[in-house]
Amino acid sequence: TQLLEQSPQFLSIQEGENLTVYCNSSSVFSSLQWYRQEPGEGPVLLVTVVTGGEVKKLKRLTFQFGDARKDSSLHITAAQTGDTGLYLCAGARGSGGSNYKLTFGKGTLLTVNP
Amino acid sequence: DSGVTQTPKHLITATGQRVTLRCSPRSGDLSVYWYQQSLDQGLQFLIQYYNGEERAKGNILERFSAQQFPDLHSELNLSSLELGDSALYFCASSSRPGAEAFFGQGTRLTVV
Repeated sequence: TQLLEQSPQFLSIQEGENLTVYCNSSSVFSSLQWYRQEPGEGPVLLVTVVTGGEVKKLKRLTFQFGDARKDSSLHITAAQTGDTGLYLCAGARGSGGSNYKLTFGKGTLLTVNP
Repeated sequence: DSGVTQTPKHLITATGQRVTLRCSPRSGDLSVYWYQQSLDQGLQFLIQYYNGEERAKGNILERFSAQQFPDLHSELNLSSLELGDSALYFCASSSRPGAEAFFGQGTRLTVV
């Protein structure tokens, strides 16, 4: 079973549309990170959310951390072709000290068509 | 450029062989993570090191091993390779465990 479930798995939309992708878990995380990965490249960090209920905005991207710190959403307004990529969420948790583990969901593959 | 360097970028080898993947973390980062990415399994956590010591283990096979050296670079050793080991292998580093991770460009391993 996957610790972090991302939905939808695939999303294909037209330029200018809005979309929301979700990252859900039954576990509580210390923080949750969102990454974007393009083909042949490593994931690149977009944002980290730490506090339950926290909302962060990055231009047209809005990230929200659930009140219970178990889930998160990413909303993109007026999508552009440059937003195309694999969006990954990653949860950090551990028993303290130096053994925190960063676990990734399988991602949402977003295609924005011109 | 994330500051994390992985070599080689591509590797093609035969079943049964052994390979070593190398990672140089960002300057100053003490934590190194290794991940395997395949189409069906997504990004799977393998192992984490912090300042030379193993700190967390994920779905790492017994045929695989890793270490982090005193200069903080890390190596992932894959032995008795099977076709199913073909994947992208990523190294990431962070200033401390659980903090934002910066990924290298990956090593694409193809086992034939």
